[in-house]
Amino acid sequence: DAGVTQSPTHLIKTRGQQVTLRCSPISGHKSVSWYQQVLGQGPQFIFQYYEKEERGRGNFPDRFSARQFPNYSSELNVNALLLGDSALYLCASSLTTSAFFGQGTRLTVV
Amino acid sequence: QKEVEQNSGPLSVPEGAIASLNCTYSDRGSQSFFWYRQYSGKSPELIMSIYSNGDKEDGRFTAQLNKASQYVSLLIRDSQPSDSATYLCAVDSSYKLIFGSGTRLLVRP
Repeated sequence: DAGVTQSPTHLIKTRGQQVTLRCSPISGHKSVSWYQQVLGQGPQFIFQYYEKEERGRGNFPDRFSARQFPNYSSELNVNALLLGDSALYLCASSLTTSAFFGQGTRLTVV
Repeated sequence: QKEVEQNSGPLSVPEGAIASLNCTYSDRGSQSFFWYRQYSGKSPELIMSIYSNGDKEDGRFTAQLNKASQYVSLLIRDSQPSDSATYLCAVDSSYKLIFGSGTRLLVRP
């Protein structure tokens, strides 16, 4: 079975631009979560979606938004990019409590 | 602010030794606890989950949970150089995972 897939794997954007990251969960998993990981830190929770509804949101500005589609895939959008948004963005899917991560999208803002 | 604390390391052990990684958490309501392994430049990989007090063994890995002390640990027996990675402790808090900053483990050949 395919694991969690994310695209793109790497991305370079300029300050002020907008970016969309994509995630396909493991087949059968209805919950998708997004995390941001900066170098030297553990992942920080951004959003969780379950059955297309937002279940929770972390302490991130409104520039961050997300949605989940009927096939349970998800997109994370970040507007007005700042240098500090440079990080590894991780998508996790879960069926119960265990969360499985995709390979991540490495975003560099220059 | 609910927190998960880990010693950043590095923890250096010789090949074949037991590596002991520790984690404390602040949310007494947490019910699920996880250990992830993260190689440099890669994403976290789930290696152990534990939900009740005591020990849980899976191959060379043993997770230990003490809810009264709010303490989770991971033991790696017969450590191998391929175990060298950062180990992240994660605690379930409602709908999200709260991660520690990770402990870097180095296994010397």
